[in-house]
Amino acid sequence: QSALTQPASVSGSPGQSLTISCTGTINDIGNSYLVSWYQQYPGKAPKLIIYGGTQRPSGISDRFSGSRSGNTASLTISGLQTEDEADYYCCSYTGRLSWVFGGGTRLAVL
Amino acid sequence: VQLAESGGGLVQPGGSLRLSCTASGFTFYGSAMYWVRQAPSKGLEWVARIWSDGGGISHADSVQGRFTISRDNAKDMLYLQMNNLRVEDTAVYYCVKDSEYAFDKWGQGSLVTVSS
Repeated sequence: QSALTQPASVSGSPGQSLTISCTGTINDIGNSYLVSWYQQYPGKAPKLIIYGGTQRPSGISDRFSGSRSGNTASLTISGLQTEDEADYYCCSYTGRLSWVFGGGTRLAVL
Repeated sequence: VQLAESGGGLVQPGGSLRLSCTASGFTFYGSAMYWVRQAPSKGLEWVARIWSDGGGISHADSVQGRFTISRDNAKDMLYLQMNNLRVEDTAVYYCVKDSEYAFDKWGQGSLVTVSS
């Protein structure tokens, strides 16, 4: 199972909206609504920010939203803040008792 | 929810280690659990999954036949037995609680270094 494809890095200015894409295949994202997104600060454990493709866990800001179209999932961050500067990972359940992650995207807030 | 990994360390190629995860603050016997790893300066990789009752075990192809996930619901413990370790298994290993097929709550991680 190959990793999902994410841009290595993205950047934005405070207050802007920004979208991170995650491209897979019909064997993962294209056939599963069970896409999740994770935020990770350097030296810290990842944190779940989106599950089920579009759902936010309790306590996660509504500035984070998820969507899916075909074989691509997307994470949109609105009203970008300096605290959003982190690494972001997408993940998809493959439906075959396995999960696959994206390579990760480093977000810089300039 | 608290998850605390232990058992990591330095091991030679071909050696074995057993990671443990102590769970508290939630109904452990009611939750599926995972191991996820992250090699130094690399991305995340799913390693293994186990259902709440100890069934539904699956492992990533990269560790199949070498690693084994297990749990003891009476002790609120999750384990990962790692045999025939390779240099490429060097990583921080996270114990993770499931929520709707997502990796909901993470431990702080345990570093495993495979080197001669």
